[in-house]
Amino acid sequence: DSGVTQTPKHLITATGQRVTLRCSPRSGDLSVYWYQQSLDQGLQFLIQYYNGEERAKGNILERFSAQQFPDLHSELNLSSLELGDSALYFCASSLGETQYFGPGTRLLVL
Amino acid sequence: GENVEQHPSTLSVQEGDSAVIKCTYSDSASNYFPWYKQELGKGPQLIIDIRSNVGEKKDQRIAVTLNKTAKHFSLHITETQPEDSAVYFCAASKNYGQNFVFGPGTRLSVLP
Repeated sequence: DSGVTQTPKHLITATGQRVTLRCSPRSGDLSVYWYQQSLDQGLQFLIQYYNGEERAKGNILERFSAQQFPDLHSELNLSSLELGDSALYFCASSLGETQYFGPGTRLLVL
Repeated sequence: GENVEQHPSTLSVQEGDSAVIKCTYSDSASNYFPWYKQELGKGPQLIIDIRSNVGEKKDQRIAVTLNKTAKHFSLHITETQPEDSAVYFCAASKNYGQNFVFGPGTRLSVLP
């Protein structure tokens, strides 16, 4: 157990809808990262937050947004969902260099 | 930006044999190189990491070597066991993890 929690574990929704994925980092970690992993694909970095501020952006679509709250948990919002957004979404947290991953949220868009 | 390549994409070994996975990176400023193991349906789990001021690091059956000049690093697993079967990802980063780039992964199968 990495200490990073993600909810929900599974999410099934329809095209055009909006969903919110939630992540709670390890106690003491200030950074939160979001990744997308499509079927049999690698880990695509989406965005990083550090202590509430956006720190780095990767290949995140404009339909996607994220934020980190004062208690350091983070939410990833996915809107106008498309079939191709179906994937595993991972959150990771860190205090220094090492990132610790949560168990992921599996999103299925029908 | 940084680019990380990883080979092979799939690897099958007999139980008890060794497995080696190699990664190359492009940015000479990268200074932190972790390896993650991802089992089916789970999140990636850190198994070992190495920093640029070290050439080799071992942890029981797992070792990582780094060649900064050639810009490549390798994961070595000895005495493989069926539970080592998973997808392994290498990564490279600099600036305290701000620029984390993962390799595409290697699917390791350990045959009993």
